[in-house]
Amino acid sequence: QVQLQESGPGLVKPSQTLSLTCTVSGGAFKNYNYYLSWIRQPAGKGLEWIGRINTGGSTMYSPSLKSRVTMSLDMSTNRFFLKLNSLTAADTAMYYCARLYSHGGEDWFDPWGQGIRVTVST
Amino acid sequence: SSELTQDPAVSVALGQTVTITCQGDSVRYYYVSWYQQKPGQAPVPVIYGQNNRPSGIPERFSGATSGNTASLTITGAQAEDEADYYCNSRDYSGNVVFGGGTKLTVL
Repeated sequence: QVQLQESGPGLVKPSQTLSLTCTVSGGAFKNYNYYLSWIRQPAGKGLEWIGRINTGGSTMYSPSLKSRVTMSLDMSTNRFFLKLNSLTAADTAMYYCARLYSHGGEDWFDPWGQGIRVTVST
Repeated sequence: SSELTQDPAVSVALGQTVTITCQGDSVRYYYVSWYQQKPGQAPVPVIYGQNNRPSGIPERFSGATSGNTASLTITGAQAEDEADYYCNSRDYSGNVVFGGGTKLTVL
């Protein structure tokens, strides 16, 4: 079955850019109803959707993060990328990648990666 | 409103039935999915679409919608159901939104 694994730095300085990678294994995203999404969760708080990208490279970002987010992909290596710039302490969170199935008003995220904890601090 | 509102905490006696709700205008127009998250783990879907359970999710989990309120019902709650539960849908612009989460305690 499809498995997702996040990777990247665990500590980033304020004002810098966070770069994360999600590597997909065990399957593919060939169904055009599938997207790769990034979701984050500050410690002890709820889930926040960051955005999604499909295999054609079409993106959609959360309005609250749109000005700072870029998502891209490399289908030859089954890797999806997240860049978040101008970091502040408020961006400290667990970052998850998840496959999003979206069709006809029906959305669901499955599977999820295990998450990567990112701390923004000097 | 694009927000999804959940009660912060709910409790249920072992073996009893509990309903967790998710309120928002967009619930009238989009399906709601539900996720279970245990401490230190990634969320896991328990309900999606029109009351569909992913493979491996027990039959005691069910979903329903009435007006602007979606509900997740656990019939015969077990100790292992103690977790945080999040609803998810869309806003009118098509952006994904999550509810604030409900902490379920099984007594």
